[in-house]
Amino acid sequence: DAKTTQPPSMDCAEGRAANLPCNHSTISGNEYVYWYRQIHSQGPQYIIHGLKNNETNEMASLIITEDRKSSTLILPHATLRDTAVYYCIAVNAGGTSYGKLTFGQGTILTVHP
Amino acid sequence: EPEVTQTPSHQVTQMGQEVILRCVPISNHLYFYWYRQILGQKVEFLVSFYNNEISEKSEIFDDQFSVERPDGSNFTLKIRSTKLEDSAMYFCASRQLRGVQETQYFGPGTRLLVL
Repeated sequence: DAKTTQPPSMDCAEGRAANLPCNHSTISGNEYVYWYRQIHSQGPQYIIHGLKNNETNEMASLIITEDRKSSTLILPHATLRDTAVYYCIAVNAGGTSYGKLTFGQGTILTVHP
Repeated sequence: EPEVTQTPSHQVTQMGQEVILRCVPISNHLYFYWYRQILGQKVEFLVSFYNNEISEKSEIFDDQFSVERPDGSNFTLKIRSTKLEDSAMYFCASRQLRGVQETQYFGPGTRLLVL
């Protein structure tokens, strides 16, 4: 699976959009980009995933660049409860990894009042 | 909304003792996983399980660890003889199908403390 690089930390004001970048310059054509978050020491929570098209759900939007070498997770109106560690993970669709997720250090997002 | 559940939420044990951590995956899911997270460190993959056998395991998952799906609903992780370094959060996860598009859902975790 491709390595992903994320900034170690980011701040955001409550009510504003939080834009979390992820670099995955070595991503292959059949690797999906997944985003999870972890609040305190709770279990990782799925947010969104995509292959090459932009995606949106009730939690967030995912913007993937045309060359697929980077992506941005957007939380449109961040709240204090969005304070968490956010993980960007590349997952190989055609591999034999049986869906194993390889977590990095992620980005610590702190939402301020 | 269906959830992965785990019991107990906390477990304290003495070094050398056996522990069994329990998980109830989402009911129509077919792939099951255990991960662990040592305090302050990354979430690490331990093992994946499908069709009543291990499909993949990490280097961490040595002979002290075993997994079982004893009754069609529970999925357990056994540590035969715990060590101090086994102290961690243990997360169970499940997924419906083989394809990567099927999302993996995590339980709330069991905090294991080995004294």
